[in-house]
Amino acid sequence: DAGVTQSPTHLIKTRGQQVTLRCSPKSGHDTVSWYQQALGQGPQFIFQYYEEEERQRGNFPDRFSGHQFPNYSSELNVNALLLGDSALYLCASSLGRGGIVFFGPGTRLTVL
Amino acid sequence: AQTVTQSQPEMSVQEAETVTLSCTYDTSESDYYLFWYKQPPSRQMILVIRQEAYKQQNATENRFSVNFQKAAKSFSLKISDSQLGDAAMYFCASHGSISSGSARQLTFGSGTQLTVLP
Repeated sequence: DAGVTQSPTHLIKTRGQQVTLRCSPKSGHDTVSWYQQALGQGPQFIFQYYEEEERQRGNFPDRFSGHQFPNYSSELNVNALLLGDSALYLCASSLGRGGIVFFGPGTRLTVL
Repeated sequence: AQTVTQSQPEMSVQEAETVTLSCTYDTSESDYYLFWYKQPPSRQMILVIRQEAYKQQNATENRFSVNFQKAAKSFSLKISDSQLGDAAMYFCASHGSISSGSARQLTFGSGTQLTVLP
C-alpha cells in the first residue's frame, strides 16, 4: 500500500521565481492538505483540497495556490518566492475530510 | 480557533525508562481531536497516538499512552520502556470536528525534541 508521496525531494530557487510541488495521496484517500514547516517550528496549515476544490485555507497569502486533479493528486504553487518561503512543505492525505491524516516525506524548498 | 502549546523544547530519557511530554491546548469547540506526531531526522511525520475529546478513556498504543485531562485542557504523552528509535521531535496537534469548519486543519505545537540516552 503506497503511502503519501511527494516530489521533488529538494528544490533550490531564487527570489522572485515560481515553484510547483507535487503530491500523490495515500491509496484510497481523496482529501489533500498542505503544510509549511519552517526550521525548528511546527507545521502551519496552508490549505485543503477535497473534490477538486479548495475547502479550507490557512493564513497564507494568495501567492500560495493549489490544485487537485481528478485522480486526487495535488499541486502546490508558490509565486514570487521570498527568502521566508524556505521551508519543508508537507503534503497530507485522508479519506474524506473526517479521516485520519497521513503525511508525506516533504519537499525541502530553499530560496536564495 | 485552536492553539496548542508545548512548553518543553527538549527532553531526555535513559533507554528503558519512562518519559512524559507535556501539551496544553485551547479551543472553543466542544468536539475536537488530539494527536501526537513523531518527526525523526528523516522529517517524515508519523502519527503516534490519537484521542477523541468525547472519549473519557485515555488512548494507548503499545508503549505510548496519553493522559487526557479535558477540564485542564492538558494532553500529555507517556513513553514507556524508551528505545533509541524513539528519539525524535514530538508534536502535539489538534483539529476540530467536520461540522466546526476547521475540520482536519491540524494545529501544531512547537515541538519537543526527545533524546534517548543509551
